[in-house]
Amino acid sequence: SQQGEEDPQALSIQEGENATMNCSYKTSINNLQWYRQNSGRGLVHLILIRSNEREKHSGRLRVTLDTSKKSSSLLITASRAADTASYFCATDALGGGGGNKLTFGTGTQLKVEL
Amino acid sequence: EAQVTQNPRYLITVTGKKLTVTCSQNMNHEYMSWYRQDPGLGLRQIYYSMNVEVTDKGDVPEGYKVSRKEKRNFPLILESPSPNQTSLYFCASSLTVSTDTQYFGPGTRLTVL
Repeated sequence: SQQGEEDPQALSIQEGENATMNCSYKTSINNLQWYRQNSGRGLVHLILIRSNEREKHSGRLRVTLDTSKKSSSLLITASRAADTASYFCATDALGGGGGNKLTFGTGTQLKVEL
Repeated sequence: EAQVTQNPRYLITVTGKKLTVTCSQNMNHEYMSWYRQDPGLGLRQIYYSMNVEVTDKGDVPEGYKVSRKEKRNFPLILESPSPNQTSLYFCASSLTVSTDTQYFGPGTRLTVL
């Protein structure tokens, strides 16, 4: 089963609105990353938040992490049509067999309409 | 320009015909990996490599082989492709272990008839 699960699976908003995507995971983590993928293309790293951090900003992106709830959220403010893409969270588990690889969720498809 | 390249970008082949998808990075990264992406299943890791001559299985290694003879190259080999290996494949690299930012290649769309 997936370590990271994004919610919602799909999201459609108007340009200028904020978009919020959530990611839940099962085991304790070292860090959590968010990636963006334009249709059929390679993933692009957006932001990394470590397990001892609660919030991080990068431009119009804001990521929060709640380790007690094993969840993270990605907020895109003032969305633009160019933000239309799929967004994935990826987690790296602490220790054991999960320590050497990231596990990706199934993604949220965001559509920003003009 | 720092990048991960994959070749070919598109490939249509037939069942059983051996093929290799190449992956190369010019960032002197130690960690490299292969993923496949299928609708509704997200990205699943096939194999990864911590460094030259060090490779290990990911979540879905069956039917695939890899090698890491040089730091920059990490080819994915399908000895006897089957239709269930039809997928979009991505190579990725990072500076050290998987927790670093992953840099992805542009993808290889493989169809096995």
